[in-house]
Amino acid sequence: QPGLTQSPSASASLGASVKLTCTLSSGHTSHAIAWHQQQPEKGPRYLMKVNSDGSHNKGDDIPDRFSGSSSGAERYLIISSLQSEDEADYYCQTWGSGVHVVFGGGTKLTVL
Amino acid sequence: EVQLVESGGGLVQPGGSLRLSCAASGFIFSSYEMNWVRQAPGKGLEWVAYISNSGRTIYIADSLRGRFSISRDNTKNSLFLQLNSLRVEDTAIYYCARFDPPVPGTIRVLDYWGQGTLVTVSS
Repeated sequence: QPGLTQSPSASASLGASVKLTCTLSSGHTSHAIAWHQQQPEKGPRYLMKVNSDGSHNKGDDIPDRFSGSSSGAERYLIISSLQSEDEADYYCQTWGSGVHVVFGGGTKLTVL
Repeated sequence: EVQLVESGGGLVQPGGSLRLSCAASGFIFSSYEMNWVRQAPGKGLEWVAYISNSGRTIYIADSLRGRFSISRDNTKNSLFLQLNSLRVEDTAIYYCARFDPPVPGTIRVLDYWGQGTLVTVSS
């Protein structure tokens, strides 16, 4: 079954850009993944699906500041022009038949 | 506007039961597959259960099978999670989440989430 690895934390300055990484386990490096944002005390929100070729499909009303890309087993979430409300936990998610839904451990993003 | 609103959480003693509900609106509920996901305090997301749009196909996480069950009532646009034999470690916020429509050759994603309902298992 696919596994997803995320760094526990990341930080970047207000107005800067940040790239969060989700790494797929061996044997599953062609999988697409989804990114979800969870602001403090809120439910998660779907941001986008990132495919192995780097193309991405965003959810409803997701700002242009959010984009995705890929390289090998890594899937990225890039946030530009960081705002205070981007301070949140970010989870990657994938899926496999018989495996159902799999989440990464999450990355806590701090906006300095 | 798609909305998912969970209810039914609360404080329950170990060994007790709860039935969680999720009221859906803003989309054709009967056309979508649904899931429950939980989050223990200070922890990450954990998938709990899946149900097909008709309700005929159900999957429960291996560690929860036998204690939790999922169901739906398409006439009432509602999703349910029955929690039995509850343990302290089941304490969590429980979210209902919609699966996006299936597209051959790619993964399924959870494209809408509710705000969650808190279940606390404690004596």
